[in-house]
Amino acid sequence: AQSVAQPEDQVNVAEGNPLTVKCTYSVSGNPYLFWYVQYPNRGLQFLLKYITGDNLVKGSYGFEAEFNKSQTSFHLKKPSALVSDSALYFCAVKNAGNMLTFGGGTRLMVKP
Amino acid sequence: DTEVTQTPKHLVMGMTNKKSLKCEQHMGHRAMYWYKQKAKKPPELMFVYSYEKLSINESVPSRFSPECPNSSLLNLHLHALQPEDSALYLCASSQVSRDGLTDTQYFGPGTRLTVL
Repeated sequence: AQSVAQPEDQVNVAEGNPLTVKCTYSVSGNPYLFWYVQYPNRGLQFLLKYITGDNLVKGSYGFEAEFNKSQTSFHLKKPSALVSDSALYFCAVKNAGNMLTFGGGTRLMVKP
Repeated sequence: DTEVTQTPKHLVMGMTNKKSLKCEQHMGHRAMYWYKQKAKKPPELMFVYSYEKLSINESVPSRFSPECPNSSLLNLHLHALQPEDSALYLCASSQVSRDGLTDTQYFGPGTRLTVL
C-alpha cells in the first residue's frame, strides 16, 4: 500500500521569505510524485511532478521540489513567497497501479 | 491547453431529485476520473474510465452512476442522494500510454453539490 504524509496542517510565512511545505511518502517500487495547489472553491491545479532524473524539479509559479530517495521526501519550496501563494497544497504519489494517493493537505498562509 | 470543464458550478438538489454532473476535456486524454472532496480534505477517488470503459469503482453507492458517452465526455448521474453526499465533485483526465500507465491528472474546477 502507498501513503503520503504532510506533517503540517498549516504553514505560515511572511511575504518575501522562502517557504517549504513538507511531504514524505511510502510506496513500493519507483515513486511518481506530484504537487497540486487548490485555491478556495476551485479544483486542483498541477504544479510539478517527479518521475525520474534530476532530484530538483522546477514547476509552475516559481515553485520547485526536491526528491530525496533516502529520506523518502518530496518537499515543495519557493525562494520568495507571495501573498497570492496562500492556498491549500496537496502532495500525491502514484505507483504502477496508476492511482493517486493524496496527502492530507497543508494550508499555506503568506502574510504581507 | 490543459483545461477540463465542469458544469454546473453549483447544484442544489433534494433527496428525491435526479440530476447529472458533466465533465469535458479536449486534450485527447483517454482516462477520466470522478473524485469527491469534502471541505479541507484531500480528494477521494470514486470512478475511473479508461478508453471509455469503467476500470475502477471505489465501492461507490449505486445512487451515483457514471457514464462515459465518448472520449471527451464524462457524466455523473445522481439519484436519491443523502445530505452527507454534499461535497465538491471533481473531474480529472490524463493520458494513458500503450502499456496502460497514466500520466499527470488535470482537474476541472469542480461542481459544488448541496443535498437538502
